[in-house]
Amino acid sequence: EVQLVESGGGLVKPGGSLRLSCAASEFTFSAFSMNWVRQAPGKGLEWVSSISGSGGYINYADSVKGRFTISRDNAKNSLHLQMNSLRAEDTAVYYCARGGGCSGGTCYSADYWGQGTLVTVSS
Amino acid sequence: DIQMTQSPSTLSASVGDRVTITCRASQSISSWLAWYQQKPGITPKLLIYKASSLASGVPSKFSGSGSGTEFTLTISSLQPDDFATYYCQQYNSYSWTFGQGTKVEIK
Repeated sequence: EVQLVESGGGLVKPGGSLRLSCAASEFTFSAFSMNWVRQAPGKGLEWVSSISGSGGYINYADSVKGRFTISRDNAKNSLHLQMNSLRAEDTAVYYCARGGGCSGGTCYSADYWGQGTLVTVSS
Repeated sequence: DIQMTQSPSTLSASVGDRVTITCRASQSISSWLAWYQQKPGITPKLLIYKASSLASGVPSKFSGSGSGTEFTLTISSLQPDDFATYYCQQYNSYSWTFGQGTKVEIK
């Protein structure tokens, strides 16, 4: 069974930094694009960032561009999100999700999600 | 950026009802549209992908249709376990967009 386990969330002050991680197992990690999706308390889902299987293609939502950096370590089956210059509006549960990108005429939705890690930005 | 608009935002229905949720894309996304179910405090669950394909393990009472810019999710006979929030999502690139969600609540 595919497993995605996020970690690294917590309470941070505005302007601070945090690094989230997602440990993947039970699938060939390097063959899949990966994503971060967030959900503010009581709000809907917001896509944050995507990275291709090789790490060669990366994309960000405008709301986090220039502040967040997505990366992956295929040797360790792990996905990361470095979050800098955090703002109150970044407070959310952050999910990692498998999927994304298009290849051979097929595009891929988010078929597996982690349980999420809560990031709270507050003074 | 592609915008996704769901309607209604809230839907009140009874057990046994047939319900339909609509999702509209701001530009054509072909059939690259997914539907997710989310219950409070729980991870979203993929129901439908490629507009009309049922995800593994999802009961056939869920169905999706549409292409281009107009899509629908239908639940044929609402059961207590189906009361949740439903999101559509376009995924025709490395940049995803979700609809704002439709909360299906008990009438």
